[in-house]
Amino acid sequence: AQSVTQLGSHVSVSEGALVLLRCNYSSSVPPYLFWYVQYPNQGLQLLLKYTTGATLVKGINGFEAEFKKSETSFHLTKPSAHMSDAAEYFCAVTLSGNTPLVFGKGTRLSVIA
Amino acid sequence: DAMVIQNPRYQVTQFGKPVTLSCSQTLNHNVMYWYQQKSSQAPKLLFHYYDKDFNNEADTPDNFQSRRPNTSFCFLDIRSPGLGDAAMYLCATSRGLLSPQREQYFGPGTRLTVT
Repeated sequence: AQSVTQLGSHVSVSEGALVLLRCNYSSSVPPYLFWYVQYPNQGLQLLLKYTTGATLVKGINGFEAEFKKSETSFHLTKPSAHMSDAAEYFCAVTLSGNTPLVFGKGTRLSVIA
Repeated sequence: DAMVIQNPRYQVTQFGKPVTLSCSQTLNHNVMYWYQQKSSQAPKLLFHYYDKDFNNEADTPDNFQSRRPNTSFCFLDIRSPGLGDAAMYLCATSRGLLSPQREQYFGPGTRLTVT
């Protein structure tokens, strides 16, 4: 069964600094990978996804992630943090076929002025 | 804009008093999901519908039921809410069950308080 590990339940960065949120997955077959963002008292919004093809995926709000099969990772990055990026971020994985979407436990991003 | 709508956004119910949460979608997606999310935790899948086919997760309590009268609407019924059922309830949709159609679109959630 697939699983997702997000390293760091809370990450704090200064405004303008690099954002790096880590996600590692466990899967015996090629996965489909997603990053979602959740603002307080809101639902989840898709930031970006990897299905097949190019391993560097660009998403909304300046975020991108790179699928690295050898490292079983799908880390989320943004070159310059903005105050509006403060939120909870969830990495999720699913496999081909009828398998459920499995979420990581989430990483709360704080941005300091 | 096509979207997933949840009503109400905030719901307060009394211990043991049945409550219904609603979800509607204008995406014309085949699959609708209900998740429970407790504070500082990941969403937990309760069940999903593929068209009218209902699929219950193995660990979803019997206290939770769902109805999908048509493609656009899906309801979550909690028959006898307990204090432990206080949570954010998220509705989501996807075009299909087979990847990559399983990209999910979420509603804003309903925060349930049990007094």
